[in-house]
Amino acid sequence: GAGVSQSPSNKVTEKGKDVELRCDPISGHTALYWYRQRLGQGLEFLIYFQGNSAPDKSGLPSDRFSAERTGESVSTLTIQRTQQEDSAVYLCASSGGRYTGELFFGEGSRLTVL
Amino acid sequence: KNQVEQSPQSLIILEGKNCTLQCNYTVSPFSNLRWYKQDTGRGPVSLTIMTFSENTKSNGRYTATLDADTKQSSLHITASQLSDSASYICVVSAGTGNQFYFGTGTSLTVIP
Repeated sequence: GAGVSQSPSNKVTEKGKDVELRCDPISGHTALYWYRQRLGQGLEFLIYFQGNSAPDKSGLPSDRFSAERTGESVSTLTIQRTQQEDSAVYLCASSGGRYTGELFFGEGSRLTVL
Repeated sequence: KNQVEQSPQSLIILEGKNCTLQCNYTVSPFSNLRWYKQDTGRGPVSLTIMTFSENTKSNGRYTATLDADTKQSSLHITASQLSDSASYICVVSAGTGNQFYFGTGTSLTVIP
């Protein structure tokens, strides 16, 4: 696609429910990143996929968070047993192809846990 | 430790005035530095990229500078407009260019 696409754009869920957030990176981009941005704060790295290499999961805050990526395409970020502190915007970015070194961001998925 | 620090944290200026945002970094090995603009509720968008050998780069009313010796960058906005109100994020990439270090951003508000 022309840009990074994320869905859903907004998600409201009850505490304890599981949620899945989806990211479609730019075609041909080998790198994919997930970030969390709490209200009024900077971007917090969660996980990084590079091609078929093992992902860098060092930013995941707890074992309730997991992410998968199929090859160099779609990625899904899953949050199990959501807590109120999980409320944030989850941003996906891709990089690579001709423009290695630039991150192209999606519009984010805003998660609200009640 | 690889870090990126930005100042000021927030800034309010009158429409038409100029402003300068600062970014200091300790990232190594340095690949490039980008300034991103993040409008409220949107994803960040790249404004400029600075490589090691570049000192100044302009993109319309935005001018970025880089001093690789002191590891400092600035983003100067000329003749500010209301639409410049946003968060400006300094991002330094390291190594082969796929490791990114983020500043916490400067929140700019332009008022009429």
